[in-house]
Amino acid sequence: GNSVTQMEGPVTLSEEAFLTINCTYTATGYPSLFWYVQYPGEGLQLLLKATKADDKGSNKGFEATYRKETTSFHLEKGSVQVSDSAVYFCALRGVTTSGTYKYIFGTGTRLKVLA
Amino acid sequence: EPEVTQTPSHQVTQMGQEVILRCVPISNHLYFYWYRQILGQKVEFLVSFYNNEISEKSEIFDDQFSVERPDGSNFTLKIRSTKLEDSAMYFCASSEPTQGSGNTIYFGEGSWLTVV
Repeated sequence: GNSVTQMEGPVTLSEEAFLTINCTYTATGYPSLFWYVQYPGEGLQLLLKATKADDKGSNKGFEATYRKETTSFHLEKGSVQVSDSAVYFCALRGVTTSGTYKYIFGTGTRLKVLA
Repeated sequence: EPEVTQTPSHQVTQMGQEVILRCVPISNHLYFYWYRQILGQKVEFLVSFYNNEISEKSEIFDDQFSVERPDGSNFTLKIRSTKLEDSAMYFCASSEPTQGSGNTIYFGEGSWLTVV
């Protein structure tokens, strides 16, 4: 079945450091891939998405490229800020064995940025 | 920007009591979902709903759970007899009328349920 694996946290970085959060997936067909962010005490917000191979999603300085050959969708940011401290969830939306579409989430990676 | 709204934001209930969590999806959306997140754990799919019926449900969504769209705007999750392990953040979500893989689902801010 479909699944998402993302790196365990927490990830602790200093402000202005480079961020990578790894995400790999297994899926049948051609899923769409997403990163959601959850700030403390808040719900899930869509950060970026990519719907086909080689697409790059970007938002707020974050980027992720849909790599079909490595089944990956790693999240990157060149210079993190304290305000980026949150939990980041990788997700895919793909077809299930019953023919419906469903979102599958990774376990989340907590990022803490220190001033 | 349109958003999914949920009430209550936080509810404390005694074990064995019934709880109803309410959601108002985005107005032109036709697919509705409930997810839950036990503290510190992954976001888990519970159920999806389309055309006034459940289109898919997970193994978590057993007989104690039910969903309903009682009118044109609300979408509710009922837990009949709550257990301690039902304590979690429950997220409602909705998505656009087409069912392509690229559709984004939009989440509410969640309802935090604490069962004591």
